[in-house]
Amino acid sequence: KNQVEQSPQSLIILEGKNCTLQCNYTVSPFSNLRWYKQDTGRGPVSLTIMTFSENTKSNGRYTATLDADTKQSSLHITASQLSDSASYICVVSDRGSTLGRLYFGRGTQLTVWP
Amino acid sequence: EADIYQTPRYLVIGTGKKITLECSQTMGHDKMYWYQQDPGMELHLIHYSYGVNSTEKGDLSSESTVSRIRTEHFPLTLESARPSHTSQYLCASSFGGLAGINQETQYFGPGTRLLVL
Repeated sequence: KNQVEQSPQSLIILEGKNCTLQCNYTVSPFSNLRWYKQDTGRGPVSLTIMTFSENTKSNGRYTATLDADTKQSSLHITASQLSDSASYICVVSDRGSTLGRLYFGRGTQLTVWP
Repeated sequence: EADIYQTPRYLVIGTGKKITLECSQTMGHDKMYWYQQDPGMELHLIHYSYGVNSTEKGDLSSESTVSRIRTEHFPLTLESARPSHTSQYLCASSFGGLAGINQETQYFGPGTRLLVL
């Protein structure tokens, strides 16, 4: 069964600290993996996208890694800011259909405290 | 910033009422989607469209219906709202061409939070 599991479910850190969010998936055949940021009451916004051959991708203070062999990804946030408080969703796409089926994780709820 | 809009943003309505959630995008995207999301849960695809006059049901069974008469417009309708329909509804769109992977990225609207009493 194609699944995407994220951990931790929620995380509280102090402003300025770093953190790492985890994503494990069983989606096959794998096409790509995206990390989205969803602010409360808003729609998700894409942060990074990685294909099978990419190991790391950065977007400002966000760095995503991908290990396609172990089917794991992480999102590292450096020097956190209050505006980083949001839900971070891991989304994996398969190659098995024309639609490019997306599998969503439940997200990690990050809260950054001053 | 994605040019995809949803109205209303919040809706409180009584059981049995008919409602239509609006979604419009100005990016010329062929593919459009409707997702349902409950708090702390993953997004579930309920409808999608490859283009004008194309609509398909998604993975999650839904009593809602959709239409795609114009490329930019993808409204979702509930004929008779029930408390079980209370949820957040997210509309998204993506480029439908055969080009690279980045064009498959889905751009989401801000969502409509629906409460059925």
